[in-house]
Amino acid sequence: DIVMTQSPDSLAVSLGERATINCKSSQSVLYSSNNKNYLAWYQQKPGQPPKLLIYWASTRESGVPDRFSGSGSGTDFTLTISSLQAEDVAAYYCQQYFSTPYTFGQGTMLEIK
Amino acid sequence: VQLQESGPGLVKPSQTLSLTCTVSGASITSGDFYWSWIRQAPGKGLEWIGYIYYSGNAYYSPSLRSRVTMSVDTSRNQLSLRVTSVTAADTAMYYCARSQVGIQDYWGQGTLVTVSS
Repeated sequence: DIVMTQSPDSLAVSLGERATINCKSSQSVLYSSNNKNYLAWYQQKPGQPPKLLIYWASTRESGVPDRFSGSGSGTDFTLTISSLQAEDVAAYYCQQYFSTPYTFGQGTMLEIK
Repeated sequence: VQLQESGPGLVKPSQTLSLTCTVSGASITSGDFYWSWIRQAPGKGLEWIGYIYYSGNAYYSPSLRSRVTMSVDTSRNQLSLRVTSVTAADTAMYYCARSQVGIQDYWGQGTLVTVSS
């Protein structure tokens, strides 16, 4: 199984500041034949199901604010929130879909400082 | 697209957990998608259980494969999950989700299942 490790486990950022969450996979999730990274990011607010934010490592889902961006390739990925808003308080998960079983990171809790 | 999980909220240890996910706004027979089950223990992260295609072809996570069965009812636009021989470790919020290439783009609200005598 591919192990996904996120850092940090929790993060406190001031409103309007940048938030950065990292995700590392135990093996590459880059598929060489199409040059795509099989990596997604989800946001989960308390009492709600996860919501898809980013897929293919950097493609924003429709309706997701452009302050959310994804980057990285191979085994190292980053989710960046350029200017933190109050409604961004949530847990964030990365997920690889390169191979089954699909696996998630342990999650990063994002709070307001 | 909306998904709604349903089923008993309380299951006794060693018994079978059975859940249904009703899909509206999309046909589960759409060839572009398959349908996944994912669970989340209280205060914990997400665990992918497996997926099923409308044809009935399914893939289960090796960690649960011996106890999990998924099925579809195309006439009702529903999918089902069964987990046998449950223990307290199976206590979780269970989600169904629409999947494409492994990306879960629509999720149900989830249903909490507690395993307790």
